[in-house]
Amino acid sequence: AQSVTQLDSQVPVFEEAPVELRCNYSSSVSVYLFWYVQYPNQGLQLLLKYLSGSTLVKGINGFEAEFNKSQTSFHLRKPSVHISDTAEYFCAAPVAGGTSYGKLTFGQGTILTVHP
Amino acid sequence: NAGVTQTPKFRVLKTGQSMTLLCAQDMNHEYMYWYRQDPGMGLRLIHYSVGEGTTAKGEVPDGYNVSRLKKQNFLLGLESAAPSQTSVYFCASTNRQGRYGYTFGSGTRLTVV
Repeated sequence: AQSVTQLDSQVPVFEEAPVELRCNYSSSVSVYLFWYVQYPNQGLQLLLKYLSGSTLVKGINGFEAEFNKSQTSFHLRKPSVHISDTAEYFCAAPVAGGTSYGKLTFGQGTILTVHP
Repeated sequence: NAGVTQTPKFRVLKTGQSMTLLCAQDMNHEYMYWYRQDPGMGLRLIHYSVGEGTTAKGEVPDGYNVSRLKKQNFLLGLESAAPSQTSVYFCASTNRQGRYGYTFGSGTRLTVV
């Protein structure tokens, strides 16, 4: 079955510093991939998605992610973070095997904490 | 605003009590899902539905039942709540293809004592 691994459970960073949140997925076949963001006490919001085409995907709030098929990775990056980026971030991929019916498998989450 | 609405937002149950969580979407989405979120475990799929009148089990279905009598509504039931079901529950929906991501509700925080 498809699995998603987020390599860091917590990432502390200072304001205006760059950040990278790492995500690996298990399958090497073409997939579509997502990053979601969850602010405290809220639901998840779609940050960006990779469907096909350009491997560099831009999302909301200045985030971008690069799809790397050979390394089965989909790392999320931002060149300069703000305090307001403090949140938990989830990488997600479709469940493998047969018809997925849109089902997603989620990574364990990475808590990004931006310090002043 | 269009989206997914979950009720209630918070609930405390005693062990053995029952309750129903309601999810409503107004985007005419075919697919709907119930996930639970626990610290360090990401989101795990409980049940899902691919259309009105259909439901299927996800990764962690035990202790839960669901119904989708109307396309816009997806109900999650706990017949006899257990402390292990203390969690945050999220409903999500997407179009038939599912390639464009989910729209999530704001969640229900359930505590079973």
